[in-house]
Amino acid sequence: AQKITQTQPGMFVQEKEAVTLDCTYDTSDPSYGLFWYKQPSSGEMIFLIYQGSYDQQNATEGRYSLNFQKARKSANLVISASQLGDSAMYFCAMSPTSTSGTYKYIFGTGTRLKVLA
Amino acid sequence: GAVVSQHPSRVICKSGTSVKIECRSLDFQATTMFWYRQFPKQSLMLMATSNEGSKATYEQGVEKDKFLINHASLTLSTLTVTSAHPEDSSFYICSARPGRAPVGYTFGSGTRLTVV
Repeated sequence: AQKITQTQPGMFVQEKEAVTLDCTYDTSDPSYGLFWYKQPSSGEMIFLIYQGSYDQQNATEGRYSLNFQKARKSANLVISASQLGDSAMYFCAMSPTSTSGTYKYIFGTGTRLKVLA
Repeated sequence: GAVVSQHPSRVICKSGTSVKIECRSLDFQATTMFWYRQFPKQSLMLMATSNEGSKATYEQGVEKDKFLINHASLTLSTLTVTSAHPEDSSFYICSARPGRAPVGYTFGSGTRLTVV
């Protein structure tokens, strides 16, 4: 069975500091993708970063980086230089790689991040 | 960038009535769209996969007759909550993916449904 675990229901970080949001996963699929999304209070889901299971290097997108440790089955999100606008709910998601190109997500329970001024 | 438009953003309806939620891909074609449900302070749960021109695929435990999905064109999928009850009150959100590369899906802005 596939499962995503986010053990931090809430996190605080001081503005301009870095923060790591934890995500562990469990899957028997040999090929899969890992995703992070941000959900502000308005409700929309904003895609942040993607890591493929066979990617050799950790993904980075601007201030976001994904610390992918395949052996530990972890895909932690690192946000550098936190900004007040980063305050939101963050979801880790996983999907097996599909030859049809359709990715069916399983989401974690989320971590609510609050950036302090 | 790719945009998915979802309407309405909020709706209040009476018990027993039906509510239709639209999900449109504005600048790309989407043969597949996904419908999720999110309870307050909880994660997103996949309800069904909407396939253009064919029947939707529902996840286990989701009532097909209650949550009707129609994907009549490459840019529009609709979710109709039939005979709504207060327990159907939730946040419904759709998603689609522009292109075939394994980039993240684009989500609509969601619909807050309240059944009174």
